[in-house]
Amino acid sequence: GEDVEQSLFLSVREGDSSVINCTYTDSSSTYLYWYKQEPGAGLQLLTYIFSNMDMKQDQRLTVLLNKKDKHLSLRIADTQTGDSAIYFCAEGHNTDKLIFGTGTRLQVFP
Amino acid sequence: DAGVIQSPRHEVTEMGQEVTLRCKPISGHNSLFWYRQTMMRGLELLIYFNNNVPIDDSGMPEDRFSAKMPNASFSTLKIQPSEPRDSAVYFCASSPTSGRADTQYFGPGTRLTVL
Repeated sequence: GEDVEQSLFLSVREGDSSVINCTYTDSSSTYLYWYKQEPGAGLQLLTYIFSNMDMKQDQRLTVLLNKKDKHLSLRIADTQTGDSAIYFCAEGHNTDKLIFGTGTRLQVFP
Repeated sequence: DAGVIQSPRHEVTEMGQEVTLRCKPISGHNSLFWYRQTMMRGLELLIYFNNNVPIDDSGMPEDRFSAKMPNASFSTLKIQPSEPRDSAVYFCASSPTSGRADTQYFGPGTRLTVL
């Protein structure tokens, strides 16, 4: 079945880059997403990438997709304390349904 | 726009009681989703509706859970009877599109504690 996996924790120093990784199993995924969840809040869409792309950049965020290895990553440049949150990877098809990963808790320390 | 509205924000109840969670999607959105988030299982899709019709309820854990969407602006998730293992944060999300999943907007969630 469909499965999306992420490491649970990542700790980085303020100003460094963060790289959050995700692997998925469904090769027919059409879209892949990154969501951010701040404490006590719902998920907020950060960015997404179509499966026929291998990179997308949006300000401090860079998404890399290796479709052969079914590997997705999110790089946050110049990480700030406000970036501390849980980051979810998700895959979708041409439907409304998303399959979410377990989430990676990013902690940024001064 | 107020975003997706959920009520209550927090609910504490005793085992065996009925619990009803409420959601008001963003006006004009035609898809609505109910998710459950726990430490053990992460974020799970319970059910989703499109144009008020349930499309996929395969994530609903068991018959104690039921969801309705009587109109485009309101949905409920009911648990009866509730059990301690139902304790979780329940999120509602809505989307303006059908067939693309890039625009799900999440509510703030309802934190449910069943004692």
